[in-house]
Amino acid sequence: DSGVTQTPKHLITATGQRVTLRCSPRSGDLSVYWYQQSLDQGLQFLIQYYNGEERAKGNILERFSAQQFPDLHSELNLSSLELGDSALYFCASSRQRVGATSEQYFGPGTRLTVT
Amino acid sequence: GQQLNQSPQSMFIQEGEDVSMNCTSSSIFNTWLWYKQDPGEGPVLLIALYKAGELTSNGRLTAQFGITRKDSFLNISASIPSDVGIYFCAGSSPEGSQGNLIFGKGTKLSVKP
Repeated sequence: DSGVTQTPKHLITATGQRVTLRCSPRSGDLSVYWYQQSLDQGLQFLIQYYNGEERAKGNILERFSAQQFPDLHSELNLSSLELGDSALYFCASSRQRVGATSEQYFGPGTRLTVT
Repeated sequence: GQQLNQSPQSMFIQEGEDVSMNCTSSSIFNTWLWYKQDPGEGPVLLIALYKAGELTSNGRLTAQFGITRKDSFLNISASIPSDVGIYFCAGSSPEGSQGNLIFGKGTKLSVKP
């Protein structure tokens, strides 16, 4: 158990809909990262938040957005869903001190299926 | 953008054999991490490397941070069936956004009892 929690575990929805994925980082971790993993694909970095502020963006679509709340949990919002958005979505957290790279610990993921 | 080349893409080995996989980059990395992912689960951190030349072990796993800072390898000794999974390398470069990792495409390991 990494200490990172994600809900829901599974999500099935229709095209055009909007969903919200939730992540709670490990106790004490200030950074949260979101990744997308499609079938047989590697991990694609989407976005990072540090202590409530957006720190870095990766290959995140404009239809996707995220935020980190004062209690440090984070939500990833996916809208106007398309079939190709079906994937595993992982959240990771790290302690990250400014200017340093810290180990990232991953949650169990949310499997999104768009029908 | 920056990419990691991870090889081999897949391996089929007999239980008890040793395994070696590696990652290379065209640019310098200052951190290398190795993860294992079981089907449908999140990646689990195995080993973290922070200094060129560093050799670190975790049980039957050994990983090294290449001296050129452009590569890393992971060895698994005396493989067992529960070693089955996908192994990912990940690196962080000085030019990248702080703390962000670039992942290799993974090595899928199959172990035959």
